[in-house]
Amino acid sequence: KAGVTQTPRYLIKTRGQQVTLSCSPISGHRSVSWYQQTPGQGLQFLFEYFSETQRNKGNFPGRFSGRQFSNSRSEMNVSTLELGDSALYLCASSPGLAVFQRRTQYFGPGTRLLVL
Amino acid sequence: TQLLEQSPQFLSIQEGENLTVYCNSSSVFSSLQWYRQEPGEGPVLLVTVVTGGEVKKLKRLTFQFGDARKDSSLHITAAQPGDTGLYLCAGVGNQGGKLIFGQGTELSVKP
Repeated sequence: KAGVTQTPRYLIKTRGQQVTLSCSPISGHRSVSWYQQTPGQGLQFLFEYFSETQRNKGNFPGRFSGRQFSNSRSEMNVSTLELGDSALYLCASSPGLAVFQRRTQYFGPGTRLLVL
Repeated sequence: TQLLEQSPQFLSIQEGENLTVYCNSSSVFSSLQWYRQEPGEGPVLLVTVVTGGEVKKLKRLTFQFGDARKDSSLHITAAQPGDTGLYLCAGVGNQGGKLIFGQGTELSVKP
């Protein structure tokens, strides 16, 4: 099976712009989660989608949003970018919502976002 | 709020040495996982421990889950340069089932 893919891999934006990141989960996986990784804060959970519905949300401002399509592909959007949004954004998929399924997350390579 | 604290944060050792990384919490987790992340890549699952007191071995890596299911450790025997990377512990929290990560341990093994 192909792994989780994320596009683009690298992105440079300026403050105030918006950005959309894309994630394709492993075939058959219906749950997609997004994480932000920075040296100072580590891996922080953004949100989780299952069957096109947001099931879980972390403590991020409303500028961070996402959606999931019927084929389980997911997008994440950040509006009005700030310097502090520079980070590695990771997408992970898992087979389902049950705890034993959720605890195994298959991560993509991430999108490195730099905000200038 | 459930937290996982990892120690040490940074570890630089010579090839052949042994090391232990700790992952501690004041909360009980139904399971804990260990991931390794290499530069430019996403984390990759190494192991999941489920039962209190459980010990799992993966070649030179030994993982243990505390009896009370509040802590875990990762022991590497005779470390090699290929073990270099960021080691993360993670557990499924009791708040909607979110996966909670520790801050990570940056391991550097010098030849």
